Amino acid sequence: AQKITQTQPGMFVQEKEAVTLDCTYDTSDPSYGLFWYKQPSSGEMIFLIYQGSYDQQNATEGRYSLNFQKARKSANLVISASQLGDSAMYFCAMREGFGANSKLTFGKGITLSVRP
Amino acid sequence: KAGVTQTPRYLIKTRGQQVTLSCSPISGHRSVSWYQQTPGQGLQFLFEYFSETQRNKGNFPGRFSGRQFSNSRSEMNVSTLELGDSALYLCASSLSLRGLETQYFGPGTRLLVL
Repeated sequence: AQKITQTQPGMFVQEKEAVTLDCTYDTSDPSYGLFWYKQPSSGEMIFLIYQGSYDQQNATEGRYSLNFQKARKSANLVISASQLGDSAMYFCAMREGFGANSKLTFGKGITLSVRP
Repeated sequence: KAGVTQTPRYLIKTRGQQVTLSCSPISGHRSVSWYQQTPGQGLQFLFEYFSETQRNKGNFPGRFSGRQFSNSRSEMNVSTLELGDSALYLCASSLSLRGLETQYFGPGTRLLVL
């Protein structure tokens, strides 16, 4: 089974509107972290936000927030007030376990296009 | 602080050649990971180094190797290049945030094998 699933096709959003990018995950480890990265066409992966499995509150970082629903195993990224510069690929990733041997597993990504 | 830097940014090689890519982590970060990104396979983990020792390894053939130096800089080497090695190679250094290793990526090296 895939550990990280991002099934949305290319997403479009109007500038200044909010958009939700979906991510579901699969793990039996009680300790894990969920991450979102942005990859513009230049190629660099930009860290946006993360949520630990034991965090009591949903993570927020500026215009980014993570809608963490543990029972559903989903960690959706919400971008508020979209900007043209938000157009990029967005990857959800998970690190299982907090130990030295834990690895980061990425989903296949979602393309977001912001329309003016 | 300066971010993760990777050199070179672009590279063209021919089949059978070998290539070495370099990565300098964020100052103070001791862990460096390497990833290969292709349109077909997505992001795949290659290996991770911590304090000059390989700590984790992905499912890549032995043609892919790496090392880390005492200043945490890392190099990745691919020998006997194949057309399928054409990819974006990303390096990331890690910092522990609230007990969780968070990776910060460099701009990548785009390798084209002809």
